[in-house]
Amino acid sequence: DQQVKQNSPSLSVQEGRISILNCDYTNSMFDYFLWYKKYPAEGPTFLISISSIKDKNEDGRFTVFLNKSAKHLSLHIVPSQPGDSAVYFCAAIRTTSGTYKYIFGTGTRLKVLA
Amino acid sequence: DGGITQSPKYLFRKEGQNVTLSCEQNLNHDAMYWYRQDPGQGLRLIYYSQIVNDFQKGDIAEGYSVSREKKESFPLTVTSAQKNPTAFYLCATRPTLPPYEQYFGPGTRLTVT
Repeated sequence: DQQVKQNSPSLSVQEGRISILNCDYTNSMFDYFLWYKKYPAEGPTFLISISSIKDKNEDGRFTVFLNKSAKHLSLHIVPSQPGDSAVYFCAAIRTTSGTYKYIFGTGTRLKVLA
Repeated sequence: DGGITQSPKYLFRKEGQNVTLSCEQNLNHDAMYWYRQDPGQGLRLIYYSQIVNDFQKGDIAEGYSVSREKKESFPLTVTSAQKNPTAFYLCATRPTLPPYEQYFGPGTRLTVT
């Protein structure tokens, strides 16, 4: 039962344009959502988060949008740069009685073309 | 310079041998986690520890064991009972404040032949 899905395994974007990475979830009880960036043979690096009570969070070139009615999360990168080429994971967190359950998507490989 | 270290980066073992992966952190986080990553899959939780001397099984704990004797250290042992041990292993910590983003180490690539 994949509670967090990233349906696009890969995405190619021209340098300077917008990259939009998508994530769908099934459990409405998640409290926070995170986006991570991962290079090959390295650990994921945290990019940006959003609380379930918000619908937008922005940090520099990165903006995360949350559509709770559609159970959909997206990460916008503007403008895209070649250094953004990596695998992006979304993750959802459910906090219950002091426990923290993290569910990760399968990742989307972004390639930014120079 | 705070962070998480995992050693070694690459590890090779023969089938039937136990192997221990190291994870050390100086972020002063109580909670630590072990994940496994396989191609085309998300991260899967092996074990986690919310405090010293306590740990819990994750979704795929069979064939693995852990200990948490110190706050800074959370070693993972891959035993010979683990059927498919070849994978990329990631250690992570969690802060106590929201949004509770996990911090990851650089990972250990284990190959068992």
